[in-house]
Amino acid sequence: GEDVEQSLFLSVREGDSSVINCTYTDSSSTYLYWYKQEPGAGLQLLTYIFSNMDMKQDQRLTVLLNKKDKHLSLRIADTQTGDSAIYFCAEIAQAGTALIFGKGTTLSVSS
Amino acid sequence: GAVVSQHPSWVICKSGTSVKIECRSLDFQATTMFWYRQFPKQSLMLMATSNEGSKATYEQGVEKDKFLINHASLTLSTLTVTSAHPEDSSFYICSAASTSGNPYNEQFFGPGTRLTVL
Repeated sequence: GEDVEQSLFLSVREGDSSVINCTYTDSSSTYLYWYKQEPGAGLQLLTYIFSNMDMKQDQRLTVLLNKKDKHLSLRIADTQTGDSAIYFCAEIAQAGTALIFGKGTTLSVSS
Repeated sequence: GAVVSQHPSWVICKSGTSVKIECRSLDFQATTMFWYRQFPKQSLMLMATSNEGSKATYEQGVEKDKFLINHASLTLSTLTVTSAHPEDSSFYICSAASTSGNPYNEQFFGPGTRLTVL
């Protein structure tokens, strides 16, 4: 079945850039998403990218998609302590179906 | 964005009792709702998919008689954990999606319900 893989931990200093990587197996993915989860809370959609796009930028967030390698990354510029959270990448093949999530990357930002 | 609520946000119950968790889409009609389960420091695992007015579709390994899902209206789905046991303790998260006016296949997540079974 479909699988989504992420590195589990990332530690950066405040002001640096963070890059969180994700790989997926489903070549029929139509949309790929990045969600943020703070401790004890639900998921917050950060951004998404359509499968026919290579890059999407949204303020401090840059998403890169390499469809050939099935690789997705999220870059957070000028990382702040408030960015500390778990970041999940997820993909969906078609509308009405469930998201397939990676295991999540815990981002720790030190001041 | 659209708002999805869950109630209760935290519940503690005795082993053997049943617990009902509600998931509501507050400002849109959700044709599909999903129930996920998340163990500490782990990813979200899909339990079931429910479409309004029809029976839920359960993922492999999820007992449908234990986790009863009802999606009676376009704004409400309920998950009932029957005869709960300590191993059912987890964080349960619902999400809701609409197939109309949803070009990005976006799902909106509830804040989650933490279930602790003693």
